[in-house]
Amino acid sequence: DAKTTQPTSMDCAEGRAANLPCNHSTISGNEYVYWYRQIHSQGPQYIIHGLKNNETNEMASLIITEDRKSSTLILPHATLRDTAVYYCIVYFALNEYQTGANNLFFGTGTRLTVIP
Amino acid sequence: EAQVTQNPRYLITVTGKKLTVTCSQNMNHEYMSWYRQDPGLGLRQIYYSMNVEVTDKGDVPEGYKVSRKEKRNFPLILESPSPNQTSLYFCASRPRGALYEQYFGPGTRLTVT
Repeated sequence: DAKTTQPTSMDCAEGRAANLPCNHSTISGNEYVYWYRQIHSQGPQYIIHGLKNNETNEMASLIITEDRKSSTLILPHATLRDTAVYYCIVYFALNEYQTGANNLFFGTGTRLTVIP
Repeated sequence: EAQVTQNPRYLITVTGKKLTVTCSQNMNHEYMSWYRQDPGLGLRQIYYSMNVEVTDKGDVPEGYKVSRKEKRNFPLILESPSPNQTSLYFCASRPRGALYEQYFGPGTRLTVT
């Protein structure tokens, strides 16, 4: 599976957009990009995922570059409750019975601090 | 409310004293996993289960056992805990087909002295 590179930490002012970058230069054509976040010592929470096209849901937007070598997670109006570690993960499983198909590799992520 | 629950949330124990951390989900998910989280290492998978009576090792299975006798429950067993198993443990579940969307429990902080 492709590895990802994320900044260790970022700050964002409350109410502003938080843009979290992720580099995945070795991503292969059938690997998806997933984003999770983990609020202090709680279980990780799924945010969004995508393959090629930009995606948006009630939590965030995901912008994937045309060459798919990088992506950006956007929280449009950051609140104090968005302070968390954000994980960018790339993964592909051929099918559900592939060994380790349940294993998303969580690296060390980006610690986002939303400042009042 | 759809959720994954874990018990206990906090546990301090001594080396060698067998313990079980329970995990239960109410979403009828086929897939369940256990992860441990250590500073600087991210989350690492211990064991996973694709359905009742079907379990397999993850990346760091040594020193752990699991069982899946019922769909909703996936306990993690430490037969003889050691200090290097001091960690934050998470149980997770997901439905068949949703490879990306895992639901995590609140975590169990285990300290082995």
